[in-house]
Amino acid sequence: DIVMTQSPLSLPVTPGEPASISCRSSQSLLDSNGYNYLDWYLQKPGQSPQLLIYLGSNRASGVPDRFRGIGSGTDFTLKISRVEAGDVGVYYCMQSLQSPTTFGPGTKVDIK
Amino acid sequence: EVQLVQSGAEVKKPGESLKISCRGSGYSFSNYWIGWVRQLPGKGLEWMGIIYPGDSDIIYSPSFQGQVTISADKSISTAYLQWSSLKASDTAMYYCVRRSGSYPHYYGIDVWGPGTTVTVSS
Repeated sequence: DIVMTQSPLSLPVTPGEPASISCRSSQSLLDSNGYNYLDWYLQKPGQSPQLLIYLGSNRASGVPDRFRGIGSGTDFTLKISRVEAGDVGVYYCMQSLQSPTTFGPGTKVDIK
Repeated sequence: EVQLVQSGAEVKKPGESLKISCRGSGYSFSNYWIGWVRQLPGKGLEWMGIIYPGDSDIIYSPSFQGQVTISADKSISTAYLQWSSLKASDTAMYYCVRRSGSYPHYYGIDVWGPGTTVTVSS
């Protein structure tokens, strides 16, 4: 299985400030078609997870442009340009290049 | 509105069987993969497996192969996750999810159900 790691696992943030979460995979997620099969999801407290970014850098419908996904191969980053109070929760990266799909352990983001 | 509606919370005893459901609405159910994701209490997300309702093609995660059965009835736009003999360690939240797009086109796990809480306790 492809192993996903994230850092940090806990991230206190200040509203209005930027934030960044790293995700690394044990194998390259870059397919021969040129796409990286890496998604980002946010699970807000008490809610189901929601899709933020797919294929490494594509924002899902309705996701503010404060959220940006970058990276390729085995190293990926989710950047939030200006954190808002509503962004708190656990952020997961997920690979879907190879079966089984695997998730990272999650990064808990909360307000300082 | 595209949504996945899951069956209600369950409380079962070890050794009992269980089948939970996930009904899709607002889209062509047969044409999208439906997956199941487990979340143990206070823990992260685990991929269990996925089914294509159009032809019932199923891919299990090795960790869950033989432990659960995934199925679907496209005539009623419903997918299922079932256990033949529950254990206390099956206590978790179970999400059904929609995977959007088929290779090479992929648009993420774009719809998540509200989850079904399963509690297994003697």
